[in-house]
Amino acid sequence: DQQVKQNSPSLSVQEGRISILNCDYTNSMFDYFLWYKKYPAEGPTFLISISSIKDKNEDGRFTVFLNKSAKHLSLHIVPSQPGDSAVYFCAASANTNAGKSTFGDGTTLTVKP
Amino acid sequence: DVKVTQSSRYLVKRTGEKVFLECVQDMDHENMFWYRQDPGLGLRLIYFSYDVKMKEKGDIPEGYSVSREKKERFSLILESASTNQTSMYLCASSLSLAGEQFFGPGTRLTVL
Repeated sequence: DQQVKQNSPSLSVQEGRISILNCDYTNSMFDYFLWYKKYPAEGPTFLISISSIKDKNEDGRFTVFLNKSAKHLSLHIVPSQPGDSAVYFCAASANTNAGKSTFGDGTTLTVKP
Repeated sequence: DVKVTQSSRYLVKRTGEKVFLECVQDMDHENMFWYRQDPGLGLRLIYFSYDVKMKEKGDIPEGYSVSREKKERFSLILESASTNQTSMYLCASSLSLAGEQFFGPGTRLTVL
């Protein structure tokens, strides 16, 4: 049973436009969500997070939205840049799950110049 | 600059060999993790450790063991490597179990 799902394996957008990456989860006990970015031949790096007490968190071009009732979160990148091309992983954790994160399968974002 | 290092970037081993993957972090983090990444399967947790000499199974521990004798070092051991263990192995550390994880660059292991 996959508790964190990223249903789009890939996404392609034009430079300057908005990129929207989606993530769904099934475990209602998840209360902390993170996004990581991974370039080829490198480890993932933390991008942005959100606690379940909030519905939005913004950091520069990156905004994460959380809809608890739908068990859905999304990462918005505006404006998208070619350097944003990477694999994006969504992760979720819950205090009752020993707190460790469960990762989604990832979405490969390609930003075309 | 915080850092997680892994002993090898690329490793080729033969079926049945014992394989050691080493990970070192310099952030004094309590928690360390081993994942494998396979196409279409994302990051799957093999084992994690929340303290020296403490370890917990992740989602796919079969065929693996770990060792944490010192806080900064977390080793992944493949007792008898098999071809289905060919994968990218990623080590990570974090201050809290639920918080941001810092990843190493990964080890691409090929088992022939």
